Amino acid sequence: EVQLQQSGAELGKPGTSVKLSCKVSGYNIRNTYMHWVNQRPGKGLEWIGRIDPANGNTIYAEKFKSKATLTADTSSNTAYMQLSQLKSDDTAIYFCAMGVYYGYVMDAWGQGASVTVSS
Amino acid sequence: DIVLTQSPVLAVSLGQRATISCRASQSVSISSINLMHWYQQKPGQQPKLLIYRASNLASGIPARFSGSGSGTDFTLTIDPVQADDIAAYYCQQSRESPLTFGSGTKLEIK
Repeated sequence: EVQLQQSGAELGKPGTSVKLSCKVSGYNIRNTYMHWVNQRPGKGLEWIGRIDPANGNTIYAEKFKSKATLTADTSSNTAYMQLSQLKSDDTAIYFCAMGVYYGYVMDAWGQGASVTVSS
Repeated sequence: DIVLTQSPVLAVSLGQRATISCRASQSVSISSINLMHWYQQKPGQQPKLLIYRASNLASGIPARFSGSGSGTDFTLTIDPVQADDIAAYYCQQSRESPLTFGSGTKLEIK
């Protein structure tokens, strides 16, 4: 069974950074892309970007290019997302997601990690 | 960016058919492959893939869910609607980056 286990809730102060993790079991992340998606309170889903863990190549949505940094460690089968210069607008649930069975469609999702930005 | 437009709310009676639409600002199809996917999200949960590439049912998803469409117009159908289907439904395109989601349709019971 493929599982994506995300790190726990984070509380960050404005201007600081947080780093979220997504540890995968049951599938080699080198064989897929890892996507990150956020959901602000009461809002819809928003794609942040994706990384190809096999070579580290990344693509970001324009608005997240200076906000998010995606990395992956294939030795531990774990993907990471660092969010920098936190603002209250970054308060959201962050999901990792990847394609396992249907090409690069996001068919496996982590449980989500809450990030709250508050002084 | 490709904008996906969904109606915010759909109210249906239990046992009836629900039709959720998604319109793209430009074609999301490549050589007859329709790069549109549908997700269900219940409160407090992660999204779940229902339909991939417009009309293919994901593993473990009940056959009362189906998808259709091509080019810019896509539809998710639930027939018959059951109480467990109360959720938000999102379309998502993978035709080009940035990947984009529709704003979601909340399915409510009449």
